[in-house]
Amino acid sequence: GENVGLHLPTLSVQEGDNSIINCAYSNSASDYFIWYKQESGKGPQFIIDIRSNMDKRQGQRVTVLLNKTVKHLSLQIAATQPGDSAVYFCAERGSARQLTFGSGTQLTVLP
Amino acid sequence: NAGVTQTPKFQVLKTGQSMTLQCAQDMNHNSMYWYRQDPGMGLRLIYYSASEGTTDKGEVPNGYNVSRLNKREFSLRLESAAPSQTSVYFCASSEPWATEAFFGQGTRLTVV
Repeated sequence: GENVGLHLPTLSVQEGDNSIINCAYSNSASDYFIWYKQESGKGPQFIIDIRSNMDKRQGQRVTVLLNKTVKHLSLQIAATQPGDSAVYFCAERGSARQLTFGSGTQLTVLP
Repeated sequence: NAGVTQTPKFQVLKTGQSMTLQCAQDMNHNSMYWYRQDPGMGLRLIYYSASEGTTDKGEVPNGYNVSRLNKREFSLRLESAAPSQTSVYFCASSEPWATEAFFGQGTRLTVV
């Protein structure tokens, strides 16, 4: 079945450093992979997506990398800021166009 | 622009009680979803509605029912609440082809 999981449940980084959040997936049929951010007490918020036929996509301060060979997805955040502290979820969109979410990584930005 | 609005924000139920969680969106989206989020876990899909007039089961539908009242509103009903249904419930909406779903603020439900 589908399985979207994360390597590390928590990640702490110094303000200004770059952050890398990783995710493993098992459903090779997914057409899109997506990253969501969830701040405390709020619903998840879309950050960026990547189509399965791409290996890199950049947004504002964020880059998503997709390695289909090892079924690995990562989110890189440049110059991490206190406002980046949140739980980050990877998700994949399967053949039925439903999103399957991973268990999340808590990112803490240290001053 | 309110986006996705869920009511109530908090609720405590006794085992066996029933209740309906309300969700409304003002973005004219065709698709709507109900998820539950448990500690240390991601969001799991309970039910979804791809368009007005249709509903389908997600990953964890047992113990729940849904109603797509109109294009704006999608409600989730617990007929006989159980402690295992203690969770945070999120409603979301999107266009069917989109990867970006818009989520409400969540309903924190405790069943005692």
